Amino acid sequence: SYELTQPPSVSVFPGQTARITCSGDAFPQQYVYWYQQKPGQAPLLVIFRNTERPSGIPERFSGSSSGTTVTLTIAGVRADDEADYYCLSADHSATYKVFGPGTKVTVL
Amino acid sequence: QVQLQESGPGLVKPSQTLLLSCNVSGDSIAGGDYLWGWVRQSPAKGLEWLGYIFDTGSTFYSPAFRGRLTMSVDTSKNQFSLRLTSLTAADTATYFCSRGACGGGSCFPGDHWGRGMLVTVS
Repeated sequence: SYELTQPPSVSVFPGQTARITCSGDAFPQQYVYWYQQKPGQAPLLVIFRNTERPSGIPERFSGSSSGTTVTLTIAGVRADDEADYYCLSADHSATYKVFGPGTKVTVL
Repeated sequence: QVQLQESGPGLVKPSQTLLLSCNVSGDSIAGGDYLWGWVRQSPAKGLEWLGYIFDTGSTFYSPAFRGRLTMSVDTSKNQFSLRLTSLTAADTATYFCSRGACGGGSCFPGDHWGRGMLVTVS
């Protein structure tokens, strides 16, 4: 089965930049989507199609892609950015989606 | 305002079948602009994409659940449903329904989600 790879955790001080990577063999052919999830809440889409930001998501959140790795960048991290972040993408045939294992972002 | 609400049993016995529904308000499933899907979450496996369905009834399922999973849509009730058979303890999870979208040749769970419903298999 197809799998995505993410670091288990990222720690940053307030105001710094957090970078979360997601790797998959089907990149760059398949788009990547990023979701933020806080405890007890549903996931929130923060980036779609690698680099696009939904309305209402702060400009501090951005996405980039290079080869088989996609990166979610959170600039000027704030305390309320502390959450789990999951990438989502499709397998080579684009017939089904998988989530990455998630990255816990801790604001120190 | 678009709202999604899951409903169904919170406790199911092993080997039984789970039937969950997602009621949609503030949008019409029959509109055809979106797709409707399910994601679940357990401490052991994190987020798992189960699949989605279009208003036409066309479906896409995760291969991890093929043979056990069926999704359906009832446009007259503006709701869609999930049916998962042969349950085991590993199916214990919080089940989320969501509205998704397609663009650039790719579809994805999008901007509106239900609050999630905990289903325990025991």
